[in-house]
This record gives sequence, C-alpha cells and structure tokens, in this order.
Amino acid sequence: RKEVEQDPGPFNVPEGATVAFNCTYSNSASQSFFWYRQDCRKEPKLLMSVYSSGNEDGRFTAQLNRASQYISLLIRDSKLSDSATYLCVVNIRNYQLIWGAGTKLIIKP
Amino acid sequence: GAVVSQHPSWVICKSGTSVKIECRSLDFQATTMFWYRQFPKQSLMLMATSNEGSKATYEQGVEKDKFLINHASLTLSTLTVTSAHPEDSSFYICSATGQGDPDTQYFGPGTRLTVL
Repeated sequence: RKEVEQDPGPFNVPEGATVAFNCTYSNSASQSFFWYRQDCRKEPKLLMSVYSSGNEDGRFTAQLNRASQYISLLIRDSKLSDSATYLCVVNIRNYQLIWGAGTKLIIKP
Repeated sequence: GAVVSQHPSWVICKSGTSVKIECRSLDFQATTMFWYRQFPKQSLMLMATSNEGSKATYEQGVEKDKFLINHASLTLSTLTVTSAHPEDSSFYICSATGQGDPDTQYFGPGTRLTVL
C-alpha cells in the first residue's frame, strides 16, 4: 500500500461546479498535511496547509480526518484556472514529506 | 516571498555525460535544500536532503555516487548527474527551507533532463 494515495482522475468538472477529492495516508504518526497545486511541467506550489480544525481560503476548503487518516480538498465555484494536478503531501517527521501522485482536475467551460 | 531558482530549466545530453543542475535561494538563506525527481504521471520522489556545509543524506535506493550533491553555501546547492543514462531522464526539482520558517519548502521551477 502506498503511503499517500490519491485518485489520479482526471476529474472533468464544468465551470462553476463544486469538486472535492480525498487523499488517504497510511502513517498514523503523520504530523502535518498540505495540498499543493502543480501545473503541467511546472514546480508544485503550496495551495494550503491542512489543520485539524479544517481551514478555508476563499473558494478552497481543506479538512483533516485523523481517525480515518484522510484529508480532503473542496473547491467551490470552480474556475477554468483551477485546472491543474492537486498533490496531497504528508509530513511524517522533520522535513520528510511524502507526496501523493496527484489528482488531475480539468475544468470545462 | 521566498524565491528559488534553478538552472538550467532544461537540458539534453548524450548518454555517458555528466550534467550539473544549480539550485539557488535568491532572497533568503536556505538552511536545508532538498532534491526531488518526478517521472511522468508519478509523484515527486525525494532523492536527498542537504544542509549547508555537510554531506547530503540520500534516500534509500538513490545512488550517492551517481547523484552528487554539493551544498557549499546558504544560497546554493548543486546536483550533478554523473554518467547519465536515458533512464535518468526526468524532471528534477529542488526546494529550500529558510531559518525563520523551517516547515515551509519553497520550490524551484524544475529542470527537465533528457538523456539521449
């Protein structure tokens, strides 16, 4: 079993819709969690950290469920510019980041 | 914000040659730099972690004699792929953390290596 698993997609979603995807992790000692966004052939960029209490940044909401060992990302009112690959990242311990393979999102007009 | 640059952005080389990739933190001092590799449609895989002035720590399965890492200053780390082979063709990305924010990694734009 992979340490961090994501549905590779692609998720094809019409503009304006709400889309959500999950990421599961296997190490219960994981300390912190992040969502990154990666455009084709570019470096990943931090989208948001995921806190135990859940957090929201504009149209994006991230949640953590430690009991079930998954994190989620919800995107509301999706824009064409949201098309990208979303990477789930788990920090096992100091600096050791484990990356999911990413979920590809395609927003269609 | 913190900026990390990489050079070159892409390189094509012949099999058997060595390629050096530079990673620089432009506006902050990077206490730790990381080197990742990403094959198409796969996740980023950490290759090694380096702290300024000390030897890099390589992940399991990464040959330290093939992927030479030098972190000579707080703003520069280099990755040299020695005797490159076609299977080394990949997207190499570096990241860096600063003294004031050790939990956040700032990524370089990546270097696409193609070995013929």
